[in-house]
Amino acid sequence: SAVISQKPSRDICQRGTSLTIQCQVDSQVTMMFWYRQQPGQSLTLIATANQGSEATYESGFVIDKFPISRPNLTFSTLTVSNLSPEDSSIYLCSVGPEGQGYEQYFGPGTRLTVT
Amino acid sequence: AQKITQTQPGMFVQEKEAVTLDCTYDTSDPSYGLFWYKQPSSGEMIFLIYQGSYDQQNATEGRYSLNFQKARKSANLVISASQLGDSAMYFCAIDSWGKLQFGAGTQVVVTP
Repeated sequence: SAVISQKPSRDICQRGTSLTIQCQVDSQVTMMFWYRQQPGQSLTLIATANQGSEATYESGFVIDKFPISRPNLTFSTLTVSNLSPEDSSIYLCSVGPEGQGYEQYFGPGTRLTVT
Repeated sequence: AQKITQTQPGMFVQEKEAVTLDCTYDTSDPSYGLFWYKQPSSGEMIFLIYQGSYDQQNATEGRYSLNFQKARKSANLVISASQLGDSAMYFCAIDSWGKLQFGAGTQVVVTP
């Protein structure tokens, strides 16, 4: 199984600033995903990040607010811009299945609090 | 469009008993995958079990088993011999081209 790390594990940020979250995988993967989990809610997909192409955003999420980079097959970043208290959430990256596999694993998450 | 429904917001179960968590889904894809994840209070998402739509047998992983009824579009998770460490949020999810759509989750509390 892929081992996924995220930095930072948690942060407290002021309104109007930005936070960049890093996701590192211990093996090369084609698909990486970013999810948001608002307090007491389920997970919602923000975007799909494939290496060498622009991220694909789900309905309700835009690149200006959630810019994503995917410079290689083991790394991705998600920036949450112009923070507001409504952005307080857990942000999780995950990697998609490779080849004939089905496994989808998640990073440990980044807990963001906006004050 | 796909939809996942978990109708049980919370459940209490006694240690060593079995518990069944309900999950129904709706999809127009002929091929799909169903996942169950456990989320303890730490926030990490722990993969538990997977069922492919064309799998003939119900999936099992240790104390976890999946009661897959394709015609009813249900994929219930059974946890046998519950342990205190099983207390967590449990999410059912359906896969579409690698993207997961999650249900609302069920909070399980295991009591001594």
